[in-house]
Amino acid sequence: EAAVTQSPRSKVAVTGGKVTLSCHQTNNHDYMYWYRQDTGHGLRLIHYSYVADSTEKGDIPDGYKASRPSQENFSLILELASLSQTAVYFCASSDGEKQYFGPGTRLTVL
Amino acid sequence: GDSVTQTEGLVTLTEGLPVMLNCTYQTIYSNPFLFWYVHYLNESPRLLLKSSTDNKRTEHQGFHATLHKSSSSFHLQKSSAQLSDSALYYCATGNTRKLIFGLGTTLQVQP
Repeated sequence: EAAVTQSPRSKVAVTGGKVTLSCHQTNNHDYMYWYRQDTGHGLRLIHYSYVADSTEKGDIPDGYKASRPSQENFSLILELASLSQTAVYFCASSDGEKQYFGPGTRLTVL
Repeated sequence: GDSVTQTEGLVTLTEGLPVMLNCTYQTIYSNPFLFWYVHYLNESPRLLLKSSTDNKRTEHQGFHATLHKSSSSFHLQKSSAQLSDSALYYCATGNTRKLIFGLGTTLQVQP
């Protein structure tokens, strides 16, 4: 079974602070994604990557950066966390047919 | 760009009644892929169904959906709801690189 893990699983951050969310996959997939989930907005794509050392902007990239240092790892970086970035964040990897999601990270910005 | 519209919000059903969650889409692709993902509480979202060719039904775990290009629809159906079907359901469209998800429909099945 495909395996995508995320860390931390939950985090409380202060407004203006830096937050890094990490994702690791053992699926040997080229594609990786970061989504945020909000009630009333569904799953929205923040950044994605289809090869190591390269990232692409998704539909809502503002306020977020991404880093793909290797095929297995994909990080989401909030340089200056804001209240509006309180959400659940999901990482996913894909074999081109199906996306496999991680367990999610609940981020609360105070 | 591509978009997906689903039955909004919360759908509450009594166990044993049929399930139908609507999904319509807009896309530039003449042969789109449509998906239903299911997100159970405290689990990760996972693929439930993927569309096949036009007017062909696909089935999985008692759920089924048929892609109708004429009406740009891919509604999710099940003949008899079970308590364990309570979850958040997402319809999505896209290609190998990225998916566009709808806002999600929460299905709550009551005894």
